Order: sequence, then structure tokens, then C-alpha cells
Amino acid sequence: GQNIDQPTEMTATEGAIVQINCTYQTSGFNGLFWYQQHAGEAPTFLSYNVLDGLEEKGRFSSFLSRSKGYSYLLLKELQMKDSASYLCAVIFREAGTALIFGKGTTLSVSS
Amino acid sequence: EPEVTQTPSHQVTQMGQEVILRCVPISNHLYFYWYRQILGQKVEFLVSFYNNEISEKSEIFDDQFSVERPDGSNFTLKIRSTKLEDSAMYFCASGLAGNNEQFFGPGTRLTVL
Repeated sequence: GQNIDQPTEMTATEGAIVQINCTYQTSGFNGLFWYQQHAGEAPTFLSYNVLDGLEEKGRFSSFLSRSKGYSYLLLKELQMKDSASYLCAVIFREAGTALIFGKGTTLSVSS
Repeated sequence: EPEVTQTPSHQVTQMGQEVILRCVPISNHLYFYWYRQILGQKVEFLVSFYNNEISEKSEIFDDQFSVERPDGSNFTLKIRSTKLEDSAMYFCASGLAGNNEQFFGPGTRLTVL
């Protein structure tokens, strides 16, 4: 199967740093995306990794290790508006260009 | 900024009825998708569409489902005979290229009674 695993929930405080992990099966891997989804809304794109290493984009960074089947999303200087679900999604070659999503990690940021 | 649009935002239907969900992808995009999300569950891939034909489909996308791109702008998902378990949020997405980011529309919430 194309299992993608993420923690279900995380909590953090404003101004802190949080790391959300994602593991996936390595067979057929062809790219990994992170999306943010606020309750009742559509997923919005945060980052894309296809090669090993860190991609930085403002307060958000994403890391990929293809050999370990592992990625993380790092959120710095947390704000209340960052409270949302964070979805890890993988493209597998056998599924063409379809995004296969994990169950998402619900992040709650408190003051 | 260009965006994916979907209509209607909400659709309530009786079990066994046909529904058509409509999407207008971003105009220069070439890849089109439908996903669904049952309340409280993960986003699930249904179907992808490229070059006027289905590229991939999931096990969920059975004979009750069909997609069309009737003109140069619209992309539709039809469910022929709705079941209670079809109740979900249906998202349309489009992408410029196969492995690029996919832009999601706001979704249509389908409720089957």
C-alpha cells in the first residue's frame, strides 16, 4: 500500500517552532508536497520536495530524505493563524500525477 | 491571482439522484483532478484528466462516476446514482504540469439524504 504516516495532533505556543513529521513508503516515490488546510476550506500549497535536503520559504521549511522515506515541515515564529491541518502528500509513479494524502496533522497554536 | 472555481458550493440531493459538480480550472493549466474528503477524514484522490482523457483513477471512481471537459473551460464530475456514502466535500484541482503543485478549488459540499 501507499501508506503515509503523520502524527494526528500537535500543540504549540505563539512564537515557538514546531516540526511535523511525515513518513512514506519509498518504492515508486516521485515527489512530496505539504499543504495547509483550515477547517472547512480547501488545501493550499506550502512546499514541494523531490530531491534530498531543505527547502526554505519564509517561516516555513520542508526537508526530505528519500532513502529514509522521511520528510518534515518546520514552522517558525508560530502565529495563531497557523492553527490548521498540515497535509503531507506524495506522488508515486504507479499513480501518475495523483496526490496521495496522509491523514493530516492538526496543529493548535495557543497564546 | 488566477484561481480554481467550483459550483455549487453546497448541493443536497436524494439518494439515487444524479448530480453534476462543476469546476473551472486555471486557464493555462493542463492537468485536472477531482478529490473528495469525507468529514473528518483524509483527502482522497478520485481521478486525473489530461489531454482530454482520464489519466488515472482510484478504486473509489467506479462506474457511477464520470468526468467531462465539455468545452475549453469547464471540468465536471457526474455521479449517476448517489449513495449516502457519497456525502463529502469534493475538491477540483488543476496543475500546469504533472509534478507541479496542484491548485485546489474551494470545494462543493455534497449531502446525500
